[in-house]
Amino acid sequence: EPEVTQTPSHQVTQMGQEVILRCVPISNHLYFYWYRQILGQKVEFLVSFYNNEISEKSEIFDDQFSVERPDGSNFTLKIRSTKLEDSAMYFCASSTRTGASGANVLTFGAGSRLTVL
Amino acid sequence: AQTVTQSQPEMSVQEAETVTLSCTYDTSESNYYLFWYKQPPSRQMILVIRQEAYKQQNATENRFSVNFQKAAKSFSLKISDSQLGDTAMYFCAFIGNAGNMLTFGGGTRLMVKP
Repeated sequence: EPEVTQTPSHQVTQMGQEVILRCVPISNHLYFYWYRQILGQKVEFLVSFYNNEISEKSEIFDDQFSVERPDGSNFTLKIRSTKLEDSAMYFCASSTRTGASGANVLTFGAGSRLTVL
Repeated sequence: AQTVTQSQPEMSVQEAETVTLSCTYDTSESNYYLFWYKQPPSRQMILVIRQEAYKQQNATENRFSVNFQKAAKSFSLKISDSQLGDTAMYFCAFIGNAGNMLTFGGGTRLMVKP
C-alpha cells in the first residue's frame, strides 16, 4: 500500500536554529499538507499546497514557516528560527483531491518529532 | 468556522466488549466528510472510518461502525469486540466541501483492558 514517508523521525535542535522536515507524498497525489500536534493537544492544520503554491494556511503558519516542493517528489517544511513552542509532532499528508468531494482521504505520514531545546 | 468536540477525554473497556466514543461538530455546510482517526503510542495517524454527510447509511469497517446523526451533528464511533491493539488515542475530524483542512477534535484516549 502506498505510503507518505517522513524524515527525520525525530530531530533535536537548539532554539534559534533552522529546521527542515522532509516528506515524500504518495506519487499520484496532488495536494499536500502539514499538520502539527503539540504533545497532549489536538492535531492542528498548518498549510495546504497545490500546484506549487500554498492554497490555504492557518494562523499558526507565520513568517517563520515555509513550504517547498523542490524536486517534484519531496515536500518540505522549513522553520527558520525555532522556538521552544515549536516542539511538536509534525505530520505530512497528501491526497488526490481536496475538500469533501469524491475520494478525498488524507494519507498521513508517520510524523516527525521536533524537540527544541 | 467548524468545530469538533469530543467530550470524553478518557475511556476504558474490557477486552471483547463494546465501547462507543462520542463526537459532535458544528458547521453551516451541507456537504462534508467526517472521520475517525486512531493514534497508537507510535503517534502515527491511522484512518479508521469515514462518513460522507449526504449518505444516510452509517459507515461500517469490520468491528468499527459509526452512528451518524446529521440533524444532531453527532458522529459516534462504536468499537465491537474490543482488542488490546485498539488501545490508542482516537480523534474525530471534519472536512468541509470548500476547504482544504481537516479540523480535529481534542481526542479520546481509549484503554482496552485484558
